[in-house]
Amino acid sequence: AQSVAQPEDQVNVAEGNPLTVKCTYSVSGNPYLFWYVQYPNRGLQFLLKYITGDNLVKGSYGFEAEFNKSQTSFHLKKPSALVSDSALYFCAVPRAGSYQLTFGKGTKLSVIP
Amino acid sequence: DAGVTQSPTHLIKTRGQQVTLRCSPKSGHDTVSWYQQALGQGPQFIFQYYEEEERQRGNFPDRFSGHQFPNYSSELNVNALLLGDSALYLCASKINGGYEQYFGPGTRLTVT
Repeated sequence: AQSVAQPEDQVNVAEGNPLTVKCTYSVSGNPYLFWYVQYPNRGLQFLLKYITGDNLVKGSYGFEAEFNKSQTSFHLKKPSALVSDSALYFCAVPRAGSYQLTFGKGTKLSVIP
Repeated sequence: DAGVTQSPTHLIKTRGQQVTLRCSPKSGHDTVSWYQQALGQGPQFIFQYYEEEERQRGNFPDRFSGHQFPNYSSELNVNALLLGDSALYLCASKINGGYEQYFGPGTRLTVT
């Protein structure tokens, strides 16, 4: 079964420092991978996706993600964290034979002023 | 351009009751999916509607049912509510055949 794992429940980073939110995947075939963000009491917002092509994917709000096939990882990154980046981040992968997404359990990012 | 909208925002129900949640998709989208997000968890796929039919279903009991209307809007119905049904219910829309889904703000259901 297609799945993603987010090994960290919470990540704390100081404002202005680079941030990384980790995601590893287990899929058969070529992986399609997604990152979504959820602000308090809000729905999920799409950040970026990897379908094929360059291993470094650029997305919304200055975020990017690095696809690493050998490490089966798709880590979310940002060069300089903002307090407003504090939110829940979800990695996702389509279910086998489907366009529906299976989400990780989420990582809470806290950016400290 | 209006995004995905959901109503109501919050809802409190008693065990055994029935509830209906509503969703209007983003303009131009024809496919609607529903997800349940329990506290501290990622969203879990309930089902997807396209052309007014349930096309895919996740691991949810028959108490969960839905409908899609000709204007692509959708309803999620839950019968015989259990305490464990308390969650944020998210609607997502997309264009058929695409992966990128747009989510609504959700309906917070509390079952007492």
